[in-house]
Amino acid sequence: GAVVSQHPSWVICKSGTSVKIECRSLDFQATTMFWYRQFPKQSLMLMATSNEGSKATYEQGVEKDKFLINHASLTLSTLTVTSAHPEDSSFYICSVHQGQGNYGYTFGSGTRLTVV
Amino acid sequence: AQTVTQSQPEMSVQEAETVTLSCTYDTSESDYYLFWYKQPPSRQMILVIRQEAYKQQNATENRFSVNFQKAAKSFSLKISDSQLGDAAMYFCAYPSQGAQKLVFGQGTRLTINP
Repeated sequence: GAVVSQHPSWVICKSGTSVKIECRSLDFQATTMFWYRQFPKQSLMLMATSNEGSKATYEQGVEKDKFLINHASLTLSTLTVTSAHPEDSSFYICSVHQGQGNYGYTFGSGTRLTVV
Repeated sequence: AQTVTQSQPEMSVQEAETVTLSCTYDTSESDYYLFWYKQPPSRQMILVIRQEAYKQQNATENRFSVNFQKAAKSFSLKISDSQLGDAAMYFCAYPSQGAQKLVFGQGTRLTINP
């Protein structure tokens, strides 16, 4: 399957600042990537679908202006948490979808965001 | 909307024994995939096993196998000869909307007792 690299693995930021998380598909050209959020002891909640060269598709209830997604190339998608607040503290995971051949989804290692 | 339900928040099993984790899903599609993922304390999502709905044969990967009941929309995971390294959160998942968005169940926390 694809190899997905996600950075940073953890970040602490001050309230009001912005944080960018990168998701790279190292060996697969990903036209579609997904961003998830996971609270402690809970499941993964899909935030948005990142589409290469076009606007991201956000799930209901996810603030587009808060969580900016850019998918400018086939190997890189970024999630920027803007004007972060303590309630944005969470674990964020990206995923790459392989639609052909070895069908499946590969996940990044996740980013733990703490807003203080 | 497609949903995935895992009704067992926690399960425990003795080392070397067998445990089955339950999953049901709802879909109107006829051809699709189903997945089980493992999330250990590192929080890295690891694919355990995959089932293609058009295949009647249940998927098997070493000690892991599924019991896929398409009519009942049931997709349980059986772990044989449980090992301490199997301790993790297990998520059942289904790709909805034309096999794109992956929807997860609530998860089952599996504890292995030595």
